[in-house]
Amino acid sequence: GENVEQHPSTLSVQEGDSAVIKCTYSDSASNYFPWYKQELGKRPQLIIDIRSNVGEKKDQRIAVTLNKTAKHFSLHITETQPEDSAVYFCATYHSGGGADGLTFGKGTHLIIQP
Amino acid sequence: DGGITQSPKYLFRKEGQNVTLSCEQNLNHDAMYWYRQDPGQGLRLIYYSQIVNDFQKGDIAEGYSVSREKKESFPLTVTSAQKNPTAFYLCASRRSGTAYNSPLHFGNGTRLTVT
Repeated sequence: GENVEQHPSTLSVQEGDSAVIKCTYSDSASNYFPWYKQELGKRPQLIIDIRSNVGEKKDQRIAVTLNKTAKHFSLHITETQPEDSAVYFCATYHSGGGADGLTFGKGTHLIIQP
Repeated sequence: DGGITQSPKYLFRKEGQNVTLSCEQNLNHDAMYWYRQDPGQGLRLIYYSQIVNDFQKGDIAEGYSVSREKKESFPLTVTSAQKNPTAFYLCASRRSGTAYNSPLHFGNGTRLTVT
């Protein structure tokens, strides 16, 4: 089945700096890659997603890049702000794969230092 | 909030008792899911249902049971057979279980504490 590795598990950056979270996956059939943000005590919320036929997608300060050949995708946050502090999860969707096709990484705790 | 309602927000039970967590959605989504979240473990799939009257085990189904009698509802029962039931439980739904670009919508979660 699909295996999603997410790094780092904890990331601390200075306010205003950039943050990058990386995920690798094993199933070449995966074709959809969403990112979720979960603030403390709250539900995960979709912040950005990318399909397999696109290499990069940007939404204001957030961007996601996908390298299908290397089977990895990354979340980039620029000009970080205190409200960016949260746990971020990557996920993959693989048609016909195990369970329901969705596999999550274990999460990255992003800490924005003032 | 967001069309998925989980209740209650906090739940306390004694060891050996079964407990049922409620999940209702008004998004007209076909697929519904239950995840368990423990610190450092990410989101682990317990059960999912892609259609009414049908459900499948996820990665950690032992000690749990579900039903899907209505499209809007997907209750989870934590039985006394679950060895470590204390956790944060998240219910989620998707428009379709098979559409690749159908994102998950989560409820606000139920924090279950068993003593």
